[in-house]
Amino acid sequence: GAVVSQHPSWVICKSGTSVKIECRSLDFQATTMFWYRQFPKQSLMLMATSNEGSKATYEQGVEKDKFLINHASLTLSTLTVTSAHPEDSSFYICSAHEGQGVNYGYTFGSGTRLTVV
Amino acid sequence: GENVEQHPSTLSVQEGDSAVIKCTYSDSASNYFPWYKQELGKRPQLIIDIRSNVGEKKDQRIAVTLNKTAKHFSLHITETQPEDSAVYFCAASPRPLAGKSTFGDGTTLTVKP
Repeated sequence: GAVVSQHPSWVICKSGTSVKIECRSLDFQATTMFWYRQFPKQSLMLMATSNEGSKATYEQGVEKDKFLINHASLTLSTLTVTSAHPEDSSFYICSAHEGQGVNYGYTFGSGTRLTVV
Repeated sequence: GENVEQHPSTLSVQEGDSAVIKCTYSDSASNYFPWYKQELGKRPQLIIDIRSNVGEKKDQRIAVTLNKTAKHFSLHITETQPEDSAVYFCAASPRPLAGKSTFGDGTTLTVKP
């Protein structure tokens, strides 16, 4: 089945620094990827929709200048958390849809746990 | 936009019993309803899904029912096992191939041995 690889799985960074998270679709082309963040014991909150070759679409309340998304190829999307602060500490997870077959479910990456100190 | 409500937030059952999780949605245009299981610290995994032209779908111990008129769908797990313990999320999507899913808040299921 479809596999989405996400790296790093965890990262600790200092306040004010930037962190890049990568998601790759390993055996399919993903024209669209979704980026979510999940706080402990809470649901997945969609941050943005990443479209290959075009600008990402951000959900209301998500700062596009803080959460930079790049989807330069059909298999790679990146999320960069710029000038990270402790309140950005969260579980970030991407998902993509294979677009083939009868399974319309989205495949999730393994997630990245970001801790900003 | 779509609004998905999920109940209960926590559910504890004895091993072997059944568990039922219910979700309601608001957008009548939604036509795809997946359920995900997320174990602690891991990614959500699709366990079953249903489309609006189907009322019920079953896969071994797991079944999902959909009432499109009432805008609610449910997950049923029979003969629960301790390994079923996890957080379960329902979701609704109006365009399964290109749209984005709105997730419920999740149900923490605990199966006691």
